[in-house]
Amino acid sequence: QQQVKQSPQSLIVQKGGISIINCAYENTAFDYFPWYQQFPGKGPALLIAIRPDVSEKKEGRFTISFNKSAKQFSLHIMDSQPGDSATYFCAAITSGGSYIPTFGRGTSLIVHP
Amino acid sequence: KAGVTQTPRYLIKTRGQQVTLSCSPISGHRSVSWYQQTPGQGLQFLFEYFSETQRNKGNFPGRFSGRQFSNSRSEMNVSTLELGDSALYLCASSLMLGGSAGEQFFGPGTRLTVL
Repeated sequence: QQQVKQSPQSLIVQKGGISIINCAYENTAFDYFPWYQQFPGKGPALLIAIRPDVSEKKEGRFTISFNKSAKQFSLHIMDSQPGDSATYFCAAITSGGSYIPTFGRGTSLIVHP
Repeated sequence: KAGVTQTPRYLIKTRGQQVTLSCSPISGHRSVSWYQQTPGQGLQFLFEYFSETQRNKGNFPGRFSGRQFSNSRSEMNVSTLELGDSALYLCASSLMLGGSAGEQFFGPGTRLTVL
């Protein structure tokens, strides 16, 4: 059973546009929500993360919006650039004693110049 | 500071064989986690080692095992390989056990193909 549903599976945007990727989770025990960026031939790299005590976190062009009541969170990439073309994964994690991260299936983002 | 290294980068095995993958974490990192990445199932957590002890385990059969050495280097072993074990196996290291879960640094992975 997939505990984290990520959408869309693929996304094409024009340079300068806004890329939006959504994730929904089921387990209310999750308390840490990172986003990872993965380029071909590379391992994932942490992009930005949020805890459920805040509704939004911004780092440069990347923003996470978090809706605890809806059990949803999303990644917004402002002013998308061709260099942002990669696969993005959301994750939901129960930290503390029982650390079992659950990942979304990934979104392949292509930014056209 | 050197990143996470994994060896070998590519591996081809046949069904029934066993395989051992190696991971060297970032210097000073004591936690090593292993993941399996496939197009069908995505990224799945295998297990985490900290101070030479397995601390957390995902939902994989006992054919998947691992260990960690006193220098924090880790190995993962898969016995009796099946076609479905073909995947990219990723290792990630972090300073702390699971609690700072997101602050992991991933290696480039080992691409395992089972024929």
